Amino acid sequence: DSGVTQTPKHLITATGQRVTLRCSPRSGDLSVYWYQQSLDQGLQFLIQYYNGEERAKGNILERFSAQQFPDLHSELNLSSLELGDSALYFCASSVGQGEKLFFGSGTQLSVL
Amino acid sequence: GQSLEQPSEVTAVEGAIVQINCTYQTSGFYGLSWYQQHDGGAPTFLSYNGLDGLEETGRFSSFLSRSDSYGYLLLQELQMKDSASYFCAVSGGYQKVTFGTGTKLQVIP
Repeated sequence: DSGVTQTPKHLITATGQRVTLRCSPRSGDLSVYWYQQSLDQGLQFLIQYYNGEERAKGNILERFSAQQFPDLHSELNLSSLELGDSALYFCASSVGQGEKLFFGSGTQLSVL
Repeated sequence: GQSLEQPSEVTAVEGAIVQINCTYQTSGFYGLSWYQQHDGGAPTFLSYNGLDGLEETGRFSSFLSRSDSYGYLLLQELQMKDSASYFCAVSGGYQKVTFGTGTKLQVIP
């Protein structure tokens, strides 16, 4: 158990809909990272927060947004969903400069 | 930007040694990490190199050459359970962590 909690584990929805994925980092970790992993693909960096502030942004679509709350949990919002958004979404947390990330078990999103 | 290259697939025999290479291009560099991911699972941290040289953790070792923008993961005494995907990752400027495309390791009897 990495100590990072992601909910829900599975999400099935339709095109055009909006969903929210939730992540609770390990106790004491201030940084939260979001990654997207499509089938048999690598981990695509989406966005990173540190202590409530956005610190780094990857190739995140404008339809996607995220935030980190004062209690350090984070939410990733995906809207106007398309079939291609079907993927495994991982959240990770770390203490330092990102040398060691702890991953949650992921949210499997299926857009039908 | 940041980019990392690693072989897509490697096959090795149980009990043998395998090396997975990673070359990177990045603006801002703190270090190179390695992660293991089994099918359907989450990535788990294996090793980190912030300085040049070799880091050893049990059967796994990792090497970094900053001047060559190159690193590798060495797995010794391969076991069937080592069959997984292995990712290198660069922690660079502004705490951004970029992952390579992953190397799928198949260990055969």
